[in-house]
This record gives sequence, structure tokens and C-alpha cells, in this order.
Amino acid sequence: QSVLTQPPSVSAAPGQKVTISCSGSSSNIGENYVSWYQQLPGTAPKLLIYDNNKRPSGIPDRFSGSKSGTSATLGITGLQTGDEADYYCGTWDRSLSAHVVFGGGTKLTVL
Amino acid sequence: EVQLVQSGAEVKKPGESLKISCKGSGYTFTNYWIGWVRQMPGKGLEWMGIIYPGDSDSRYNPSFQGQVAMSVDKSISTAHLQWSSLKASDTAMYYCARSSAYGDAGFDSWGQGTLVTVSS
Repeated sequence: QSVLTQPPSVSAAPGQKVTISCSGSSSNIGENYVSWYQQLPGTAPKLLIYDNNKRPSGIPDRFSGSKSGTSATLGITGLQTGDEADYYCGTWDRSLSAHVVFGGGTKLTVL
Repeated sequence: EVQLVQSGAEVKKPGESLKISCKGSGYTFTNYWIGWVRQMPGKGLEWMGIIYPGDSDSRYNPSFQGQVAMSVDKSISTAHLQWSSLKASDTAMYYCARSSAYGDAGFDSWGQGTLVTVSS
């Protein structure tokens, strides 16, 4: 069971908007930055969002991130079939010993 | 262009040792942390640990402490992950990834992954 909780799956039609939630606690999301990753089938994860809401160079502004308290959200607008992938949130957790924790992942289906 | 290139797939028997590698290029290797992430078949991402090539300072996820060892060879800009005695449960894809700071979960560049299969 993952420390961060994500919905197992979400779906939406092309062109629509979808949000993916990531719920944690005060020892992780509550006091640390959140990152989001996209993993297309058969490929390595790719950084989409860092420091809660910043996009690396080359990531389109269709992808956005936000954080409130102990939860974070990834938003994707103008859905494309190429967005079908697994999405993971990640952050640091300072309980017991400091280490990175990931959510269990959310499978996005673009119908 | 920043690149992390990992060594090729491995097939091993239980009890055997293994060392996989991750070679960085396109940036100053000693200025960024290298993390290791496990992905078991059909499962999510698990952070194993992180090492700073500048001084080999390393931190492990408690779940992996004592099970694996991280190291670096600065002279060839390469990080390693090794096992002394593999188990079938070590079968997974292993990724290395770059981070600018300890305490930062933003890994901005990833290797292509090394698939490790442990089977008798």
C-alpha cells in the first residue's frame, strides 16, 4: 500500500479536462514539494510537474499542478490520445527516516 | 543534452550477485544526486535510495537498506546499484534518475531502465 493515495484510474474524452488527486499527510505532502510523473507504456517515467506547480522546459501548459494542505492535484486539459499513460505523484516523507514516496499511480484512459 | 544511459537487461539465478550501471552525460555528474527507483512487474514506483556523486553521500529507503548497495565512479560519470545475493522477488525494472537536491522529489532526467530477471 502506497503512502500517497491516488485513484487507480480516471477517464475522459479527447479535448476534455481531467484531474488526478494525490492525498498524503503532514509528514509528506503537508511540508514538502510535490512532483508529478507521466509514464507512457513501456517507457521510463517523465517529470511533468515539480515544486507543486512548475513545468520543466518542453512540458505543455495543458499540464498543471496544485497543492492544498496534505493533497495535490494534477490537471490535464485538451486531452489527447497520446496522454494515455500512468501518472504518479511523488514527494519527500520525513516520518521515521527521510525518503521519497510515490503514489500508487493512476491509469488515464482517453476514451 | 542531459542523458542517463543504463546497462542492459540481466537474467540471473537466485543467490547470484549483480551490479548494474547508470552513466550520466551532458552535465556535471558530480553536482547532481542520482536516485534509484524500482518498478516490479505491473506495479508502481518505489524509491530505493539516492547518492551524491560528489562525495558518495548516500541515503537508503529503510525498505531497501541492507538489500542493495549504491556506489559511484566519478572518473567515468557512472553510478552503480548492486546486489550480493539476488532473490526471485528482485525481478523488476530498475531506473536511475537525476535530482538537483536531496529532499527534492523532482527527478528531471531518467535512464531508460534496466530489466533484472531472477529465476532458477
